[in-house]
Amino acid sequence: DQQVKQNSPSLSVQEGRISILNCDYTNSMFDYFLWYKKYPAEGPTFLISISSIKDKNEDGRFTVFLNKSAKHLSLHIVPSQPGDSAVYFCAAASNSGYALNFGKGTSLLVTP
Amino acid sequence: EAGVAQSPRYKIIEKRQSVAFWCNPISGHATLYWYQQILGQGPKLLIQFQNNGVVDDSQLPKDRFSAERLKGVDSTLKIQPAKLEDSAVYLCASSVTSGGAGEQFFGPGTRLTVL
Repeated sequence: DQQVKQNSPSLSVQEGRISILNCDYTNSMFDYFLWYKKYPAEGPTFLISISSIKDKNEDGRFTVFLNKSAKHLSLHIVPSQPGDSAVYFCAAASNSGYALNFGKGTSLLVTP
Repeated sequence: EAGVAQSPRYKIIEKRQSVAFWCNPISGHATLYWYQQILGQGPKLLIQFQNNGVVDDSQLPKDRFSAERLKGVDSTLKIQPAKLEDSAVYLCASSVTSGGAGEQFFGPGTRLTVL
């Protein structure tokens, strides 16, 4: 069963605007949430993470927000750049377990 | 720092044949993972090693898939015999430690096509 869900398969945003990618999860035992970025023919690369004890983590243009009560997190990219065009995967893990549970990914296209 | 190396990058085989993938993790990384990514899906963990011991292989189809990590460094993943549904990208990843907070570094993957 899919414990991490990314319900938007694709998103198109204009350069300079904000990109918002959403992720929902079902397992309340998850302690960490991560976003990975993937270009074609490459492996996923780590982007940003957040612990369940926080509700926000920021790194440059990237901010992740966590709403534990809603079991929802989002990744904000401001401002969006054409080089941000990639597939973004949301992933979650618990301290007691080791596997990363991935969503299906959202393909982001940033147009000039 | 060298990244995670995988070979081959692409492999095409016929069903019922066998195939093997190789992974060399980042030096010093104790934990190694094999993921299967089917087209349109997120990566799914097949097996996780801590040094040369298996931590989690609950989603590994053990009737046809096997993996080993000799001396706690390189790892091989084997499929024998392959089925059409095994067509996927096989990703190897490594991390310094296990656990949710440990960032995993991924290799470029091996794209397997089973005809």
